[in-house]
Amino acid sequence: SQELEQSPQSLIVQEGKNLTINCTSSKTLYGLYWYKQKYGEGLIFLMMLQKGGEEKSHEKITAKLDEKKQQSSLHITASQPSHAGIYLCGADGNAGKSTFGDGTTLTVKP
Amino acid sequence: DSGVTQTPKHLITATGQRVTLRCSPRSGDLSVYWYQQSLDQGLQFLIQYYNGEERAKGNILERFSAQQFPDLHSELNLSSLELGDSALYFCASSAYGQSTGELFFGEGSRLTVL
Repeated sequence: SQELEQSPQSLIVQEGKNLTINCTSSKTLYGLYWYKQKYGEGLIFLMMLQKGGEEKSHEKITAKLDEKKQQSSLHITASQPSHAGIYLCGADGNAGKSTFGDGTTLTVKP
Repeated sequence: DSGVTQTPKHLITATGQRVTLRCSPRSGDLSVYWYQQSLDQGLQFLIQYYNGEERAKGNILERFSAQQFPDLHSELNLSSLELGDSALYFCASSAYGQSTGELFFGEGSRLTVL
């Protein structure tokens, strides 16, 4: 089965700093998506990547999928306290069984 | 607000008991997904229904069952509850039968088994 490994597990940054979260797959990714979750709440869809080399941005968040389609990165520029939360990468698996990484907890210090 | 409604928000029960979690998908969405999130297992896919039919099955225990009704709401039944079943259970919906990645998640039902 496909496994997604996220790094780092947690991240503490000062407001205004840039940061990157990585998601690595054990198999080729055919649909990789990023979600954000506030503690104890539901997940909010951020963006989806499907093609090798694809890059998408939304406000100050940029996600990329590498050419080999086995690794994705999520980059936040000039972080703000509103960016704090848990970021999860997910992927479509075989027979419709989606898989998620364990998440990266981001804390932004004002 | 994602448009997905889950009830109850919190539930405390004892081992051996049975509970039912309810989910109303976004208006117009035909697919409903159930996930379990716990500290040690992360977010685990349980099962998906599309327009009343089971579409995909994940790591769902035999003690658990689900169904989607003609009005498209779904219920997840958990029986013979064990301490390890304590978790946050999420429902998500989408318009499509196959995951496009953009799922709309409810706020979750937090189950505590004592």
